[in-house]
Amino acid sequence: GNSVTQMEGPVTLSEEAFLTINCTYTATGYPSLFWYVQYPGEGLQLLLKATKADDKGSNKGFEATYRKETTSFHLEKGSVQVSDSAVYFCALSRSTDSWGKLQFGAGTQVVVTP
Amino acid sequence: GAVVSQHPSWVICKSGTSVKIECRSLDFQATTMFWYRQFPKQSLMLMATSNEGSKATYEQGVEKDKFLINHASLTLSTLTVTSAHPEDSSFYICSGGGYGSNEQFFGPGTRLTVL
Repeated sequence: GNSVTQMEGPVTLSEEAFLTINCTYTATGYPSLFWYVQYPGEGLQLLLKATKADDKGSNKGFEATYRKETTSFHLEKGSVQVSDSAVYFCALSRSTDSWGKLQFGAGTQVVVTP
Repeated sequence: GAVVSQHPSWVICKSGTSVKIECRSLDFQATTMFWYRQFPKQSLMLMATSNEGSKATYEQGVEKDKFLINHASLTLSTLTVTSAHPEDSSFYICSGGGYGSNEQFFGPGTRLTVL
């Protein structure tokens, strides 16, 4: 079946440090891949997405590249801020499923300290 | 982006009572909405797919008679937790997207506490 595996958190960083959150997936076909972010006390928000191999999604300084050969979609940011403290979820959607049906990874909590 | 609202944002109820949670798409029509459950410091678990005008599709292990879903219009889906028990206490989240789009917009969630 389909699955999404993320690195476990919490990840604690100092401000301006480099952030990487690993995400790998297992799926048949060609899924779309997403990163969602959940700030404390808020709902999930789409951070970025990629719909086919070698696509790079980017938003707010975050980037992730759809790597089909390694079935990965790692999230990176070059210089984090305290405001980036949140829980980050990697997710996939298969075209053969209902539109919008998402399979989530476990989530990775990121804590950025001043 | 599009907006999805949930009501109430939190609710406390006694064991044995039923609780209804509403999920509304405010500026788009959603033929399909999804209901998730999130435990503390854990991921979202998909409970069911809510289909406008037809029966919901439940994920394996989710009791359809306990978690009643109604999707009566293109902008409203409701989840009713029937005969709630303390183990039903959780954070319930809904999402919706436009037709033919796999991008989802999430509601802010509803915190249910059953005493």
